[in-house]
Parts: sequence; structure tokens; C-alpha cells
Amino acid sequence: EADIYQTPRYLVIGTGKKITLECSQTMGHDKMYWYQQDPGMELHLIHYSYGVNSTEKGDLSSESTVSRIRTEHFPLTLESARPSHTSQYLCASSEYFSGEGDTQYFGPGTRLTVL
Amino acid sequence: QKEVEQDPGPLSVPEGAIVSLNCTYSNSAFQYFMWYRQYSRKGPELLMYTYSSGNKEDGRFTAQVDKSSKYISLFIRDSQPSDSATYLCAMRYRSQGNLIFGKGTKLSVKP
Repeated sequence: EADIYQTPRYLVIGTGKKITLECSQTMGHDKMYWYQQDPGMELHLIHYSYGVNSTEKGDLSSESTVSRIRTEHFPLTLESARPSHTSQYLCASSEYFSGEGDTQYFGPGTRLTVL
Repeated sequence: QKEVEQDPGPLSVPEGAIVSLNCTYSNSAFQYFMWYRQYSRKGPELLMYTYSSGNKEDGRFTAQVDKSSKYISLFIRDSQPSDSATYLCAMRYRSQGNLIFGKGTKLSVKP
């Protein structure tokens, strides 16, 4: 089982609140990712990082921001949550170089509901 | 047209059946193909990984890639109730590129 953790697992908050979703991995992986997953829809990449102090926006536009100050930690922040942010957020990590291609290991996800 | 198409199901089969899950894609530049399994309230986990065309077998699971038809398949033999999950196909252009996912097919194996 992959050593990647997400907290909280479930979060219900009111509109306008600032929230941070935590993601940590103990595998020493350089690459980390945030995906958004809605029921019956594809996983969409919203942010990724190649390593410390590296962050990039993904394919899906998102109002969230990320930081990568430590290799093992990749938090995602929403400054002012809205109902449209209600979704499942999945964190993943992979080694930067790995033969045929990197395998992404996923955390259990955070299910966010904004009222 | 979406880059990756996958029938979301749901698909319900009896225990012991052979299951066939499929994805089609539009861009011939995809080179790396993956199948992930996602149990309810869990993150996806990598099940099978194939580079370019051909077959790959791992126990009861076989992954097939047909690049000429832009079509990939996952076969599950002797399906078990524990195989009940959502199966996501994913693909990328380069070994270090970002993954493009299908919507996932929800499979239920009835005892």
C-alpha cells in the first residue's frame, strides 16, 4: 500500500471560508499532483510539482493554490471556498525518473462539501 | 471530442465471468497506457501498465493495446466479488507526461 496521506478525509464548510487540504508522502517522491474527481467524471489534474519550490497548473483551471516547501508535503489551499468547489480532491506522487515511466500512487482523497 | 472515452457502466456480472473493459482514444500520440482500480472511498491504485501495442498479463488480468484502432482493453478472468470497483483507464504521450484519464467503469461482481 502506498504511503501517501490526506487530511481531512471529509470536510463540510460554509461559503467564504479559507481551507487547506493536506497531503504528505513518505516515499521520497519528487513529483506530486492534485486531481479533482467528480462523480461519473474523469480525474482532472489541477496542480503538480516536480520538486521543492516547483509548482505548475494542470489541465483543469482551478481557483486553488499549492505550495511545495518540503519534498514530502504538498498542501492545497482555497482562499474563499464556494459551492462550485464541492468535489473529491485526490493527491498523488511519483518518482521523477523510473524506467518506462513513473507510477503514480494516490492518497485516499478528501471529500469537500461547501454549503 | 474527448481525448479518452470510457463507458461509465455500471456493469454487473456474476462471479466467475470474464469481464471486458474498454477505452477508446483519439490521439495517436499516446504511448503509455494504464489501468487503475478504485474502490469506493479510496484513491486509485495502478493495476496494469503497458507501453505501446501488445498484450500484458498479470494473474487474472490481461491488458491489451491496439494502437491501429486506438483502443485499449482490460480483461478479468474468473471475476470475484472483490473485483467490484471502478476501473479507470489512463494514458500519456511521454514517459514523464501528465496522465489523461477516462471516466471510469463501475463494475459489480455478484456472488
